[in-house]
Amino acid sequence: EAQVTQNPRYLITVTGKKLTVTCSQNMNHEYMSWYRQDPGLGLRQIYYSMNVEVTDKGDVPEGYKVSRKEKRNFPLILESPSPNQTSLYFCASSLDTSGYEQYFGPGTRLTVT
Amino acid sequence: EDKVVQSPLSLVVHEGDTVTLNCSYEVTNFRSLLWYKQEKKAPTFLFMLTSSGIEKKSGRLSSILDKKELFSILNITATQTGDSAIYLCAPNSNSGYALNFGKGTSLLVTP
Repeated sequence: EAQVTQNPRYLITVTGKKLTVTCSQNMNHEYMSWYRQDPGLGLRQIYYSMNVEVTDKGDVPEGYKVSRKEKRNFPLILESPSPNQTSLYFCASSLDTSGYEQYFGPGTRLTVT
Repeated sequence: EDKVVQSPLSLVVHEGDTVTLNCSYEVTNFRSLLWYKQEKKAPTFLFMLTSSGIEKKSGRLSSILDKKELFSILNITATQTGDSAIYLCAPNSNSGYALNFGKGTSLLVTP
């Protein structure tokens, strides 16, 4: 089944404790992206990747890192999480950047205390 | 800076009503506009529009794009409670690879 998977789905952590949210797609998609969704602010793009080893900042990259060492995986790294990073995070992928639909993962609800 | 404005922000209707959701945008080198539906989980794709005036339809949902006036509308006829969701639009640009979503329209359909 074609899908985007994220892990963990739920995470409660403390300020400053490094964490990684994994994202994997099995559709051989070139384009992958991370979003955060907050009430009243909608979906905002954090980082995106056009292909392996090619990443770029979205609208709200501060406090996040990403890597794209393999085509299928695009982990999101929070080196020192803070409470303002409490949010719902979505990973998404699409065939390429020419306007094809993005497929979203199930979401990761992160709480930083 | 690219902008996406959706209206209304929220809407409550009765089952059977028809609703029109709006998305206006300003993007450099427009390529396409995507509509998504988000229930209590991840957004799911509805439509991709690239040309003005060509209506896309899927059952009771339809959408159209006006590239001259820089907006798109999403129509839902004979609404059902299962249409309750947040509807998101996202214009896509040839100038870059970021995808900017509007804040969405929250639709609630009451029995």
